[in-house]
Amino acid sequence: QSVLTQPPSASGTPGQRVTISCSGSNTNIGRSTVNWYQQVPGAAPKVLIFTNSQRPSGVPDRFSGSKSGTSASLAISGLQSEDEADYFCAVWDDDLNGHYVFGTGTKVTVL
Amino acid sequence: QPQLQESGPGLVKPSETLSLTCTVSGDSISSSYNYWAWIRQPPGKGLEWIGSIYYRGNMYYNPSLKSRISMSVDTSKNQFSLNVMSVTAADTAFYYCAREAISNGFHEVDYWGQGTLVSVSS
Repeated sequence: QSVLTQPPSASGTPGQRVTISCSGSNTNIGRSTVNWYQQVPGAAPKVLIFTNSQRPSGVPDRFSGSKSGTSASLAISGLQSEDEADYFCAVWDDDLNGHYVFGTGTKVTVL
Repeated sequence: QPQLQESGPGLVKPSETLSLTCTVSGDSISSSYNYWAWIRQPPGKGLEWIGSIYYRGNMYYNPSLKSRISMSVDTSKNQFSLNVMSVTAADTAFYYCAREAISNGFHEVDYWGQGTLVSVSS
């Protein structure tokens, strides 16, 4: 059972803005940097956002990340059909000698 | 950009040991800035971090799997490996190897292998 909670699903029409939340605690999000991954069906996850809000080269600027306290958010502005995928947050957790944890995942559907 | 490739049996019998190797290219496994991680995903489910290892042998483990996991590094081959002991059907999953970068003291998984499906069945 993950210690990072995400909504199981989110949806929007093309062009809309969609936001995904990731709720954690003082031992993980409250102390470390948050990363976000996108996984399209049949493929490995790829990093979308690292260090809370940084985009790797090649990731469109319609994707943005933020963190406040023990929660983080991923926003997709100008939703496109190719954004239909699963999204996971992740962070290092200092509890129990340290380990990496993933969020429960959010399925984004483009209506 | 680093590339990672998993290899190993796709089918393991219950109670036996699952063994996988990850070959890294485009980066040195002896880099001071990286750990090397294993992550799994049961079909249709979420991601679970298994553990990560540094080239000098330092390791971190998922607390829920620690008793059944061992990891190793072979710097001469630029590879790292995973063993999961006493497997059951619950260990059936896509297994990914990945790079876990250390940035300002924080661990961040950035590059992933393509993944390999390991099924546990008699």
